[in-house]
Amino acid sequence: DAGVIQSPRHEVTEMGQEVTLRCKPISGHDYLFWYRQTMMRGLELLIYFNNNVPIDDSGMPEDRFSAKMPNASFSTLKIQPSEPRDSAVYFCASTNRGRNTEAFFGQGTRLTVV
Amino acid sequence: GNSVTQMEGPVTLSEEAFLTINCTYTATGYPSLFWYVQYPGEGLQLLLKATKADDKGSNKGFEATYRKETTSFHLEKGSVQVSDSAVYFCALVNTGFQKLVFGTGTRLLVSP
Repeated sequence: DAGVIQSPRHEVTEMGQEVTLRCKPISGHDYLFWYRQTMMRGLELLIYFNNNVPIDDSGMPEDRFSAKMPNASFSTLKIQPSEPRDSAVYFCASTNRGRNTEAFFGQGTRLTVV
Repeated sequence: GNSVTQMEGPVTLSEEAFLTINCTYTATGYPSLFWYVQYPGEGLQLLLKATKADDKGSNKGFEATYRKETTSFHLEKGSVQVSDSAVYFCALVNTGFQKLVFGTGTRLLVSP
């Protein structure tokens, strides 16, 4: 398996524009997580899904952020409208159901909002 | 709730020095514990894990022992290399949940 695949790797956009980040989890994994990493706040869990259903979105910072998982092999994280403070590295991770299985991370998308 | 506390960084060492990065946790039940490593420009990779008390996880010369009595999972390596320079994250996942809880990360800098 190629691992968790995220796209794009880098995104530069202007304030106010819509940004969509994409993630393909590892086949057979039934949990998917979106994290945001910044120098100031470290690694933050934004939302996670189980079997394509959002379970906990309490980490989503504002209504400008939304996430979907239309099927087991694809998820998106959308920011609309984007703001400079959204600049960060966004990671997707996936894991199997089962006791204490580690999560596998993608390479991340570095988002810069100017 | 569940939480992980790591020592502040950066930790700066010379090559071949001994490394300890402290990690303590708060959790209900019987969590599994993990150390992840993040190299520059990359995502997080699992370094080692331990699923029950007194288990020792090990990989690439790194070790950590799950100490329930002190709620700790300290990372150690006997002789660090320049290539070990990275950010190290301690994490836990609790029984019945799949949500990983991470510490704030500790940056390790190893000089030749």
